[in-house]
Amino acid sequence: AQSVTQLDSQVPVFEEAPVELRCNYSSSVSVYLFWYVQYPNQGLQLLLKYLSGSTLVKGINGFEAEFNKSQTSFHLRKPSVHISDTAEYFCAVSGDPGRRALTFGSGTRLQVQP
Amino acid sequence: ETGVTQTPRHLVMGMTNKKSLKCEQHLGHNAMYWYKQSAKKPLELMFVYSLEERVENNSVPSRFSPECPNSSHLFLHLHTLQPEDSALYLCASSQEPRDRGLYEQYFGPGTRLTVT
Repeated sequence: AQSVTQLDSQVPVFEEAPVELRCNYSSSVSVYLFWYVQYPNQGLQLLLKYLSGSTLVKGINGFEAEFNKSQTSFHLRKPSVHISDTAEYFCAVSGDPGRRALTFGSGTRLQVQP
Repeated sequence: ETGVTQTPRHLVMGMTNKKSLKCEQHLGHNAMYWYKQSAKKPLELMFVYSLEERVENNSVPSRFSPECPNSSHLFLHLHTLQPEDSALYLCASSQEPRDRGLYEQYFGPGTRLTVT
């Protein structure tokens, strides 16, 4: 079985400050990891993904994430946030052949303040 | 149209009504999914279709009835719903993986359903 824990339900941050959204996973098999973003009244948009290779993954809108196998983490970072980054962010994992879909975390609401 | 589209975007229905949600994917994928997203709750996977065959059904009440007539279209038929069924219903698609266990999903914008 696999699971995802997003440790913070809300993260308030000031504009132009750096931010880190935390994600830890649990899995008995090799994993593929994803971050999605959801803007108000919209669906989920893929931000970035880790499939294999380099542990530092770059995505859209200036976001990046680092896969840390020993700590079973996949934290999302941005060096300088904008008001437009205000949204819900979801971490997800796949890799369990018995589960034919992604397993999502409960989400982190990023609130960027001016 | 590109990506995954869903219609309608908003739906208000009474508990005795029958309605259907439609999803269409333009990505050439062969697997489609329905998720329910309620306020303050994690995303709930409802149904999975692969090659038009239902392969996962996560204890969803029978008042929700999915239909997948081909690999591009997915429907969710609704009847005698309850107020607690009010939520955002999201459709997604993916390509059944060549790499075992890799499911990269692409989502539609969702249908906001309100049951009165």
